[in-house]
Amino acid sequence: NAGVTQTPKFQVLKTGQSMTLQCAQDMNHNSMYWYRQDPGMGLRLIYYSASEGTTDKGEVPNGYNVSRLNKREFSLRLESAAPSQTSVYFCASSDPDRVGFYSNQPQHFGDGTRLSIL
Amino acid sequence: AQSVTQLGSHVSVSEGALVLLRCNYSSSVPPYLFWYVQYPNQGLQLLLKYTTGATLVKGINGFEAEFKKSETSFHLTKPSAHMSDAAEYFCAVRSNTPLVFGKGTRLSVIA
Repeated sequence: NAGVTQTPKFQVLKTGQSMTLQCAQDMNHNSMYWYRQDPGMGLRLIYYSASEGTTDKGEVPNGYNVSRLNKREFSLRLESAAPSQTSVYFCASSDPDRVGFYSNQPQHFGDGTRLSIL
Repeated sequence: AQSVTQLGSHVSVSEGALVLLRCNYSSSVPPYLFWYVQYPNQGLQLLLKYTTGATLVKGINGFEAEFKKSETSFHLTKPSAHMSDAAEYFCAVRSNTPLVFGKGTRLSVIA
């Protein structure tokens, strides 16, 4: 079972370059998420998509855009990469909230994309 | 708003010793609580979760955690550490906003 698949696994960019990180899940989950992980900072939410056709900002959205391409795929784009965006990026998916109830289902994570910006 | 505080960014224990990783949370509504583990160069895996009901929750690999509402805590324990437990552990809280993670605790196990 693939679960959540992220591509690429590693990438080096120069400042100002653009790039799209890809994420796909095969668990039929409605909700998908993008996080960044930095040493001593834990995971911080960049953007999320509660369901196909919707996206919302998380804690640290500046410098990023997202696209929920379909139910399986959720991409993260850096339009003009900056050294401060050097990080490990994780995609996750989960079952959605229901109206009036927040979900108690865990998120399932990919193995991450390690991005360095010079 | 909800938040998570993990006490100790790095914990070292001897093999066979008790593991105790501390997590305190704040939430304005009843929360769901999670512990995740991250091995080097991998994503996060769910260890255990508390939703409702029994406050002592058992997870994978012999770990368990106790939800204490009066102390707003959800500490993770394992009676006897194994070398394979060396990893980073994250506590997370979910209520009426998306999941919020603590900063993580790196567990080292000394032979």
